[in-house]
Parts: sequence; structure tokens; C-alpha cells
Amino acid sequence: EDQVTQSPEALRLQEGESSSLNCSYTVSGLRGLFWYRQDPGKGPEFLFTLYSAGEEKEKERLKATLTKKESFLHITAPKPEDSATYLCAVQAITGTASKLTFGTGTRLQVTL
Amino acid sequence: AAGVIQSPRHLIKEKRETATLKCYPIPRHDTVYWYQQGPGQDPQFLISFYEKMQSDKGSIPDRFSAQQFSDYHSELNMSSLELGDSALYFCASGLAGAGNEQFFGPGTRLTVL
Repeated sequence: EDQVTQSPEALRLQEGESSSLNCSYTVSGLRGLFWYRQDPGKGPEFLFTLYSAGEEKEKERLKATLTKKESFLHITAPKPEDSATYLCAVQAITGTASKLTFGTGTRLQVTL
Repeated sequence: AAGVIQSPRHLIKEKRETATLKCYPIPRHDTVYWYQQGPGQDPQFLISFYEKMQSDKGSIPDRFSAQQFSDYHSELNMSSLELGDSALYFCASGLAGAGNEQFFGPGTRLTVL
């Protein structure tokens, strides 16, 4: 069964203090690894898809990387508006419209 | 840009009642997914559709059913509601084969009293 583990569960950073979030996964054939941002009471907002080990993607202060066993979401010089829960999910190669298996997320709080 | 539309946004029901949640995917998307997210939990996959046919099935109770219609909108029907069904229900849509990203709607908050 596909499994996703995220760490830390919660992270408090000061504005400008860079850090990384970890996502470890096991999946029977990876189609893609996805990062989402979720604000309280709202739907997950798509950030990145990574398909193969060694791949990297960037968007503003965020950079996602992928190895065969884990993914990292690096946050450089975060701002208070980056505060949210960051979810990692994997999709296995099993047919069309297959499910995402999510981790429990990392709650990030960025303070002034 | 157009996003996934879900209705209603909030729904309050009594135990043993029925509820119908609606989802309108992003135009031209051919896949629809339903997820349930309990308080403090990660989204749990319920069911998905590709080109109006059921594609994948997760931990969806037998009391729930879903379908995708000819205009690609989808409905999640929930019967004999239980207190434990109180949750956020998200619909997501995507384009099969084009990166497989799933774009989520704002959710329907279901409260069962």
C-alpha cells in the first residue's frame, strides 16, 4: 500500500529564516509526486509535480526536489503569507484517474 | 482562470438524512475525483471518474454513490448520514495524461447533527 510520511508536523520560522520540509514515500511505481498548499478551511492549492529522481522545480520562494525515496520542499526567506499547511501526495501508475495518497502535512507558521 | 466549482459550500443535515454534493470541473478536464477531509486529517480518496466512467475507488462507504454526467459535472450522493460523515468534501479535476495534476475546488463543509 502506498504511504507518505511528512516531517516535521509543525514548523515555526521567523521571516527570512530558510528551511526544508521532508516527504518520505513508498509507492508501487511512481507516476508523480505532488506538493500542495492548504489554508484552513480551503481546498489544496497545487504547487508542483515531480516525476523522476533528480528533478527539481521552483516557484517564487519554493523549490521542490525528488529522490527515489523522498522529496524536499525548500522555503527560502519565507514571508508571513507563506504560512499554511503543505501537503505531499503520491500517485501510483495504476490506470487513469488514479488516486492521490496524501501525507498528514507540515503546518508552517512564519512570524515577523 | 476558471476553477473547480462545488455546491453547496455548506450543508447541515440530521442523522439518517441524505445529501447531494455537486462538482463542476474545470472546462475541458476529463477526470473528476472526490476526497473527504476530516478535522486535522489529510484528504482521503473516495472515488474518481474518467470520461464519465468510474475509474478508481477508495474508502467510499456503501451508503455513498457518485456519478459523472454527460456535461462532466459530478454528484456525490450520501444516504443514511452519520455523525462521522461530518467533514470537508473536496472535488478535484484534471486532464488525463497531461501531467496528472489534480486541481481542487473550495470544498463543501458537511455537518451532520
